[in-house]
Amino acid sequence: QSALTQPASVSGSPGQSITISCTGTSSDVGNYNLVSWYQQYPGKAPKLIIYHVGDRPSGTSDRFSGSKSGNTASLTISGLQAEDEADYYCCSYGGSRAPWVFGGGTRLTVL
Amino acid sequence: QLQLQESGPGLVQPSETLSLTCTVSGGSIARSSYYWGWIRQPPGKGLEWIGYVFYDGTTYYSPSLTSRVTISADTSKNHFSLKLTSVTAADTAVYYCATVNFNSFYYWGQGTLVSVSS
Repeated sequence: QSALTQPASVSGSPGQSITISCTGTSSDVGNYNLVSWYQQYPGKAPKLIIYHVGDRPSGTSDRFSGSKSGNTASLTISGLQAEDEADYYCCSYGGSRAPWVFGGGTRLTVL
Repeated sequence: QLQLQESGPGLVQPSETLSLTCTVSGGSIARSSYYWGWIRQPPGKGLEWIGYVFYDGTTYYSPSLTSRVTISADTSKNHFSLKLTSVTAADTAVYYCATVNFNSFYYWGQGTLVSVSS
């Protein structure tokens, strides 16, 4: 069970849009619409911001959106704000034998 | 809204068993739509799913940890527990408990750091 692949870091200026990719395989990301995304500030617990590829829990800003194409899922943050600076993790269901796998995480820097 | 709180020793000796409990408030762990899970995060590293339990005792574990992990639920105390045997320094991490619903880790505890050291 390998981790999903995310870029180690991305950056953007306030007001811009950025996209974080999450690449898996045909056994996880490509086979299920069960990708979720988490935001984590230093020293804090992760917080769910996207589930089922593109659904937002109550309280998540609509500046966050998710999508998927083939074996790659993406998180897009539009209208970047300083408060968006955090680590972001993707996660996918991988079937009954290896249910959940996380990405390695991406650090977002707001310039 | 559900609240989860991890508790347990912050220091475990190598080769011993790590034991943590997650106490749930604001709802019952017998809620049929939720699974109850554990995730860990080594210092400075990413997240790793450990496993989860359904209120009826059904469990699912990460293939990489299945030989050492036991997760159980106690509906009478409204908590669920993690046991990890034969620990090494590689098991040093912040351990989080979380709900599994909407096929995601929806509610999280604040996390507890467990260090493995003599």
